[in-house]
Amino acid sequence: NAGVTQTPKFRILKIGQSMTLQCAQDMNHNYMYWYRQDPGMGLKLIYYSVGAGITDKGEVPNGYNVSRSTTEDFPLRLELAAPSQTSVYFCASSSFSGANVLTFGAGSRLTVL
Amino acid sequence: EDKVVQSPLSLVVHEGDTVTLNCSYEVTNFRSLLWYKQEKKAPTFLFMLTSSGIEKKSGRLSSILDKKELFSILNITATQTGDSAIYLCALYNQGGKLIFGQGTELSVKP
Repeated sequence: NAGVTQTPKFRILKIGQSMTLQCAQDMNHNYMYWYRQDPGMGLKLIYYSVGAGITDKGEVPNGYNVSRSTTEDFPLRLELAAPSQTSVYFCASSSFSGANVLTFGAGSRLTVL
Repeated sequence: EDKVVQSPLSLVVHEGDTVTLNCSYEVTNFRSLLWYKQEKKAPTFLFMLTSSGIEKKSGRLSSILDKKELFSILNITATQTGDSAIYLCALYNQGGKLIFGQGTELSVKP
């Protein structure tokens, strides 16, 4: 199984550009999450989804959008990139809340210049 | 607002020492608490705790949850340089929201 696949692994953006970080899982997990991690810090929840068609804001949603049209995919869109969005982004999934641990993607390192 | 606070934020010890990492929380509709280890890549799972007072153990690592006082501890005995990492505490609530603390950066010196 591939698990959770994130693309791209690295990206450099200019201020004001937009992009989408892709996340796909092949484990039929209902719950999916996007986190960002700044150097030396923990993970901050951006958005999460408890099933196809359902998304909810996390701790730091401003400047981001998500959609969940299928169980497998949970893309994260950055509109009008800002230097404050320079970070490592992790996508994760689990089968249902609380009873199973997260499976993480490998991470996407984004730099906004 | 749900919150997870870890302490200390960083810790330097020598090989062979025992360390205790702390995680306190405030959450509506607690579901479970998880501990992760992170070494320069995605976090890897250590423990999931749902019940108070029941110790989970894996080798030199152990963890326990106190749902009355709203905290958990992670113990590492006989530390080794390979234990150097960021240790993350995370909290699930009933609605599926999973939030992390700031992490404790542990450095084990030879």
